[in-house]
Amino acid sequence: KQEVTQIPAALSVPEGENLVLNCSFTDSAIYNLQWFRQDPGKGLTSLLLIQSSQREQTSGRLNASLDKSSGRSTLYIAASQPGDSATYLCAVASNYQLIWGAGTKLIIKP
Amino acid sequence: GAGVSQSPSNKVTEKGKDVELRCDPISGHTALYWYRQSLGQGLEFLIYFQGNSAPDKSGLPSDRFSAERTGGSVSTLTIQRTQQEDSAVYLCASSLGSGLNTEAFFGQGTRLTVV
Repeated sequence: KQEVTQIPAALSVPEGENLVLNCSFTDSAIYNLQWFRQDPGKGLTSLLLIQSSQREQTSGRLNASLDKSSGRSTLYIAASQPGDSATYLCAVASNYQLIWGAGTKLIIKP
Repeated sequence: GAGVSQSPSNKVTEKGKDVELRCDPISGHTALYWYRQSLGQGLEFLIYFQGNSAPDKSGLPSDRFSAERTGGSVSTLTIQRTQQEDSAVYLCASSLGSGLNTEAFFGQGTRLTVV
């Protein structure tokens, strides 16, 4: 059974710092892995999708990596801004379902 | 609009009543998912529609929950005889093609409160 874990559960850093969010999964047989952000009272916004054959994806200040063999993905945020404050969720596409981590609540302090 | 649309955005209902939640996916998206997120918890898969195939209902928590997708487009999630533990945000997502190999787009969710 696929399980997805995100560490840390919460993170607070000063504005301008680079940071890394972690996602691990137990079954390496995945189709893809997605990172989302969730803002309070709003739906989910897709940030990056990494196919199982890919190692990383980049969008602006965001870079996501995928290491299937070790069951890990990281989301790197460069030069963090207060607007990056949100809950970040990773989801693994496995067995015709999306299996979700519990999320990392990120607070960027001005 | 171009995104996934859900209605209503908020719903307060009395325990024991039935509710219907609606999802309009992005036009042309063949895959549609329903999830729910209870307070302080992660997303819980409910049901998955892919084209004309039989839906994957493995995530529905009880037989009080059902969902339909008419004409491969709009979907309705119905909860019968609502209970307080049904209170949650219900999220709908759609994706193109074979679903899991493509990016999923989410609606804003319906916040259901059972009193």
